[in-house]
Amino acid sequence: EAGVAQSPRYKIIEKRQSVAFWCNPISGHATLYWYQQILGQGPKLLIQFQNNGVVDDSQLPKDRFSAERLKGVDSTLKIQPAKLEDSAVYLCASSLIDRGAFFGQGTRLTVV
Amino acid sequence: ELKVEQNPLFLSMQEGKNYTIYCNYSTTSDRLYWYRQDPGKSLESLFVLLSNGAVKQEGRLMASLDTKARLSTLHITAAVHDLSATYFCAVGGWENQGGKLIFGQGTELSVKP
Repeated sequence: EAGVAQSPRYKIIEKRQSVAFWCNPISGHATLYWYQQILGQGPKLLIQFQNNGVVDDSQLPKDRFSAERLKGVDSTLKIQPAKLEDSAVYLCASSLIDRGAFFGQGTRLTVV
Repeated sequence: ELKVEQNPLFLSMQEGKNYTIYCNYSTTSDRLYWYRQDPGKSLESLFVLLSNGAVKQEGRLMASLDTKARLSTLHITAAVHDLSATYFCAVGGWENQGGKLIFGQGTELSVKP
């Protein structure tokens, strides 16, 4: 079974630029999560989708972050404009209900 | 709001010793998960605990859940260097948390010879 795919693996951008991350979840997994993990901290939930609907986005900084999940499969997370404090690893995870989440390799973002 | 706290945050152990990592959470939740993360890597699922009193073991790691105390423990027996990693607990579920999965801060474990 293929795992959660994310791209790119690494991205370096200047502050105020835009960036987008892509995630392809495990086939059949209806729930998709985006997490932000700052170095030395636990993953922080940004947004949770169930199929193509948003379940929770209370921690998403909506003035600069946006996410969508078209057709209930792939998802993209965008940051526009980026700030220095957005430097982190962005993790995508997917799950079946109550089976726990499976994580992708993550995208390491550095904002300079 | 669901909060998850782990302790200790850092743990330096000698090989062959035993130790326990604690995970407390603030509100009723359905599921408790333990994950492992190696430096520069993603998160690997270790255990899923589904009910009060659940105990699961894999090799030198054993996880347990007490839903009444809102506490889970990850016990390490006779530690070896290969167990060096950061361990996270996460709490969530659909019945009480709408499918959310909230993580603790992590416990960075270093096992020294």
